[in-house]
Amino acid sequence: NAGVMQNPRHLVRRRGQEARLRCSPMKGHSHVYWYRQLPEEGLKFMVYLQKENIIDESGMPKERFSAEFPKEGPSILRIQQVVRGDSAAYFCASSPTITGELFFGEGSRLTVL
Amino acid sequence: QKEVEQNSGPLSVPEGAIASLNCTYSDRGSQSFFWYRQYSGKSPELIMSIYSNGDKEDGRFTAQLNKASQYVSLLIRDSQPSDSATYLCAVNIKGNEKLTFGTGTRLTIIP
Repeated sequence: NAGVMQNPRHLVRRRGQEARLRCSPMKGHSHVYWYRQLPEEGLKFMVYLQKENIIDESGMPKERFSAEFPKEGPSILRIQQVVRGDSAAYFCASSPTITGELFFGEGSRLTVL
Repeated sequence: QKEVEQNSGPLSVPEGAIASLNCTYSDRGSQSFFWYRQYSGKSPELIMSIYSNGDKEDGRFTAQLNKASQYVSLLIRDSQPSDSATYLCAVNIKGNEKLTFGTGTRLTIIP
């Protein structure tokens, strides 16, 4: 049973470009969470999605950031017009139910030049 | 007050000793509590979950929960150098479908 798959593992963008991060949850998991981690800091919640629905986006910046989890295909975190402050590790996690036991992917490390 | 607080460390423990990691949380309605281990440059890995007051043991790990004191801890017995990592405490607040993480405690086991 494959774990949570994230790609790309590393992404370099110049200021003003767009970044798209993908996450395929574990088989049988319908709950997807995105977290951001800055160097030497904890995990900050961004958004919680179920298939075709955003359940909680209270941690998402109001501008430039969006997320989706379509009926078919992976969940996508999209960052438009990236700035240097967006440089971070973005972790996706999935869960089979709302139990809180999250299983994390390896993360996507975004560097904005 | 932070929702989930941990001492950032670093915490240094001799090999073979007991490492004790602590976490406090602010919301009395919190229901579920988790400890994750994160090696440098890697993703968080679930170690323990605990839902009711008392102790829960799994191998060398023991999680302790005291809801009255809003306190959860993780004990690591017979510490090994491979236990050196950052340990993240996470709390699921009632009515909230997300996990809130502390900033983590960096643990170093000294051979």
